[in-house]
Amino acid sequence: EAGVVQSPRYKIIEKKQPVAFWCNPISGHNTLYWYLQNLGQGPELLIRYENEEAVDDSQLPKDRFSAERLKGVDSTLKIQPAELGDSAVYLCASSLGLSAYETQYFGPGTRLLVL
Amino acid sequence: AQKITQTQPGMFVQEKEAVTLDCTYDTSDQSYGLFWYKQPSSGEMIFLIYQGSYDEQNATEGRYSLNFQKARKSANLVISASQLGDSAMYFCAMREGRSGANSKLTFGKGITLSVRP
Repeated sequence: EAGVVQSPRYKIIEKKQPVAFWCNPISGHNTLYWYLQNLGQGPELLIRYENEEAVDDSQLPKDRFSAERLKGVDSTLKIQPAELGDSAVYLCASSLGLSAYETQYFGPGTRLLVL
Repeated sequence: AQKITQTQPGMFVQEKEAVTLDCTYDTSDQSYGLFWYKQPSSGEMIFLIYQGSYDEQNATEGRYSLNFQKARKSANLVISASQLGDSAMYFCAMREGRSGANSKLTFGKGITLSVRP
């Protein structure tokens, strides 16, 4: 069974440029998550989708970040414009459902460097 | 207060020895799940083991076991027979509530484990 797929794996951009990350969750997983991981820290949730619906986006900086999950499968996270402080790893994860007992499976992440 | 605390700055273990990675948590929920993930230098978060708050037995998965002490709110990961490939960052995480609003994972800051040959 294929795991969570993310692309690109690495991205280098100049500040003020836009950037987009793509995620394909494990087949059959209804819940999809985007996390931000700064260097030396644990991941922090940006947004969570249940099928097509964003059910928790309280941590998403909405002035520059946006996300979508069309048709309840693939998802795209966008930053426009990027700032130096956005340099981090962006992780996508998926799980079957929402319960506390569901394991979240992560993709390999996208390492973003903003110059 | 931090929900997940991992205070060991870095751990070293000799190959083939056992090592314990500490994790304490803070929650007022009765229902919660505790997870350990491994993150090698490649960056992927690899799920290792899970313990539910109502599980009476400590979880085990191959060389990984979880020393769950509910009264102390600790969920330490034990790796037996360490291998060189175990060198990585290890994150403890918690998910509170049975379902719905509190379903996000809260992570600790992680512990670096280095296995010496």
